Amino acid sequence: SQQGEEDPQALSIQEGENATMNCSYKTSINNLQWYRQNSGRGLVHLILIRSNEREKHSGRLRVTLDTSKKSSSLLITASRAADTASYFCATDEEGGSEKLVFGKGTKLTVNP
Amino acid sequence: KAGVTQTPRYLIKTRGQQVTLSCSPISGHRSVSWYQQTPGQGLQFLFEYFSETQRNKGNFPGRFSGRQFSNSRSEMNVSTLELGDSALYLCASSLLLAASYEQYFGPGTRLTVT
Repeated sequence: SQQGEEDPQALSIQEGENATMNCSYKTSINNLQWYRQNSGRGLVHLILIRSNEREKHSGRLRVTLDTSKKSSSLLITASRAADTASYFCATDEEGGSEKLVFGKGTKLTVNP
Repeated sequence: KAGVTQTPRYLIKTRGQQVTLSCSPISGHRSVSWYQQTPGQGLQFLFEYFSETQRNKGNFPGRFSGRQFSNSRSEMNVSTLELGDSALYLCASSLLLAASYEQYFGPGTRLTVT
């Protein structure tokens, strides 16, 4: 079952611009994680944000979490061609089942 | 620190056969999770093992099974392969349970069923 849904499905920007991706989920969560996947490879963990946190930063990445709206956003500032990848949000399922459920991802293309 | 390794990287099997995939987690990590990734269904959770016990299971038929050894290495097995089992199978390890800790993914095993 899908818990998180990313929006948009695809995003194309120019180098230097900011990229914003959104994730909405259906049920209460304890944690939300963002991952990046370069074409056909394994995923790379970006940020984990817990339900009692509102914002986290890591380098050029900024993640916000709004539990009242059941949504999160990932902002990549000053994007580079190397940021071209698919980005996924993942949440734990309701009821403490401890499963991590991934959304279908946003495919980001950064044009040089 | 060595990353998560998966073997083999590529595999071609025919319908009806069975396959075993292997995953070696990062040293010290006790949780290993398996995922199936296809263009149509995206990333789907198969199962998670923690300290040799299956902690969680996704919605896959019984043909999909796994196990974890005392050194945390894990294997997954798919019996009676179907064409729809063609996918990238990803293994991930984490210090503790995956839902609460960052996961480190291996490069995946690309399985093609003909």
